[in-house]
Amino acid sequence: DGGITQSPKYLFRKEGQNVTLSCEQNLNHDAMYWYRQDPGQGLRLIYYSQIVNDFQKGDIAEGYSVSREKKESFPLTVTSAQKNPTAFYLCASGQGYNEQFFGPGTRLTVL
Amino acid sequence: GENVEQHPSTLSVQEGDSAVIKCTYSDSASNYFPWYKQELGKRPQLIIDIRSNVGEKKDQRIAVTLNKTAKHFSLHITETQPEDSAVYFCAARINTGNQFYFGTGTSLTVIP
Repeated sequence: DGGITQSPKYLFRKEGQNVTLSCEQNLNHDAMYWYRQDPGQGLRLIYYSQIVNDFQKGDIAEGYSVSREKKESFPLTVTSAQKNPTAFYLCASGQGYNEQFFGPGTRLTVL
Repeated sequence: GENVEQHPSTLSVQEGDSAVIKCTYSDSASNYFPWYKQELGKRPQLIIDIRSNVGEKKDQRIAVTLNKTAKHFSLHITETQPEDSAVYFCAARINTGNQFYFGTGTSLTVIP
């Protein structure tokens, strides 16, 4: 279970506020991912990065932004443009044509 | 892009019985198919995976089968136990990229 961490575990946001979710990995993986999980909808890809300083939009990128300045870190910002941000957010990392390893998740709630 | 469908969305079995979860995919270029187990409030964890050059893989009570022609793969859990209760996700990965496509999940309940 170790190797990829997310913080905070719980996060509360007021409407109109930007918040940033942290994701760090020490697995030396090139690729990192952000998913959103809602009940009954599985995992939906927000953004992914295959290498430092490069990232691509996933299926639901609107209202989110990312950066990949270091190999170990892939923070996700949930902006005020995301109208329904309450969800469970999962970060993952992977290398080559192998499995993804998931972080413990951040539960974001809008007040 | 790839489209992965997963059935059933919920499944209840008696302890000791078998459980089968099925997934279909659309892109014939997909070549890696992992299965994840997610317990309530926790991260998904890999339980078994299969690559497109293999038709079946077993690990104790868990097995996965792949039919490339029909573009479907299945998870089989035998002798189910209450601790098998969780949500299971299938996924597919196309050989040309790093993106995974997930099914919508199956909530498995094993009744003691």
